[in-house]
Amino acid sequence: DIQMTQSPSFLSASVGDRVTINCKASQNINKYLNWYQQKLGEAPKRLIYNTNNLQTGIPSRFSGSGSGTDYTLTISSLQPEDFATYFCLQHNSFPNTFGAGTKLELK
Amino acid sequence: QVQLKESGPGLVQPSQTLSLTCTVSGFSLTSYNVHWVRQPPGKGLEWMGRMRYNGDTSYNSALKSRLSISRDTSKNQVFLKMNSLQTDDTGTYYCTRDVAIFNYGPDYWGQGVMVTVSS
Repeated sequence: DIQMTQSPSFLSASVGDRVTINCKASQNINKYLNWYQQKLGEAPKRLIYNTNNLQTGIPSRFSGSGSGTDYTLTISSLQPEDFATYFCLQHNSFPNTFGAGTKLELK
Repeated sequence: QVQLKESGPGLVQPSQTLSLTCTVSGFSLTSYNVHWVRQPPGKGLEWMGRMRYNGDTSYNSALKSRLSISRDTSKNQVFLKMNSLQTDDTGTYYCTRDVAIFNYGPDYWGQGVMVTVSS
């Protein structure tokens, strides 16, 4: 199985900050990497698919990049509604596997 | 409007069988794959298996001996059955979908259903 190492686990930031979250795969996942946002009690929401494709309806302050084994989610200017948990998913091969999540908290 | 909604018992006794239903709306099960994913409390997400658009199934090898996924397209429902439950099967269970003809990964998810395995 492909292991996904997500960092950091916790991130404390302020409104307006630029933040990055990383996922490293144990092998090449050919850009089949998605990013999701999850708020307590809500369904996860897809932000980015296949590394850098913005999901319809998601603000452009969210962006993704990467290739091979290393991938990054960037939020260019944090808004109050962005404080949530974020996780990555590789769907290059089965079983699909997930990063452990990053909890983004208000500083 | 795309929706997925998980339902099932909140409490299951150890060694018993878990039965969950994912009821979908706003799309066809013959055009989308439906996956089951779970998350133990305080831990990461685990992909369990999927029902493909054509009725084929695939399973996480770690769960394959205990897991069965089926569907009823006329009712827009996908079912999960997992036997021999233990306490470490406690967690939130989600269904999610992805479009069959492109490899974009899951988009819409249900809110999840919490399952506790306890006597």
